[in-house]
Amino acid sequence: KAGVTQTPRYLIKTRGQQVTLSCSPISGHRSVSWYQQTPGQGLQFLFEYFSETQRNKGNFPGRFSGRQFSNSRSEMNVSTLELGDSALYLCASSLESSTGTDTQYFGPGTRLTVL
Amino acid sequence: GNSVTQMEGPVTLSEEAFLTINCTYTATGYPSLFWYVQYPGEGLQLLLKATKADDKGSNKGFEATYRKETTSFHLEKGSVQVSDSAVYFCALKGAGTALIFGKGTTLSVSS
Repeated sequence: KAGVTQTPRYLIKTRGQQVTLSCSPISGHRSVSWYQQTPGQGLQFLFEYFSETQRNKGNFPGRFSGRQFSNSRSEMNVSTLELGDSALYLCASSLESSTGTDTQYFGPGTRLTVL
Repeated sequence: GNSVTQMEGPVTLSEEAFLTINCTYTATGYPSLFWYVQYPGEGLQLLLKATKADDKGSNKGFEATYRKETTSFHLEKGSVQVSDSAVYFCALKGAGTALIFGKGTTLSVSS
């Protein structure tokens, strides 16, 4: 099975612009989560989608948004970019299980640099 | 709320040395516990997991046991290799909650 794929792998933007990142989950996985990784804050949860609905949300401003499509692919959008948004953005997919503690598998990430 | 604390790095070892990276957690209910590894320039790879108390996860010579009485999930390997040099993250996931990570421990192994 192919793993989680993320596009693009690298992005350079300037302050004030917006950006869209894409994530394709492992085939059959219905849940997609997004994380931001920075040297200072570590790995922080952004949001989780399941069946095109946001199921969980982290503590990020409204400039960060996402969506999920019927094929489980997901996109996240960051508007009005700030220098502090420079980070590695990781997507993870998982099966839906009744316990909700199933394993998340990560993609390689998108490295966003804001100048 | 749920949280994970893992030992500060960096950890520097010689090849074939014994490795322990400590991880303790705070959680309500019965979370699943994970160790992920991140190699330079890459995303996170699942190393091992345990879903209930006394479970032992193992993979590639790494082991960790889910200890509910001490709320710990320490990572061990008997003989490290240069190729094990990476950042290791301990994480937990409760039912219906997000995956929560520790701050990561950098391991550097020299030959």
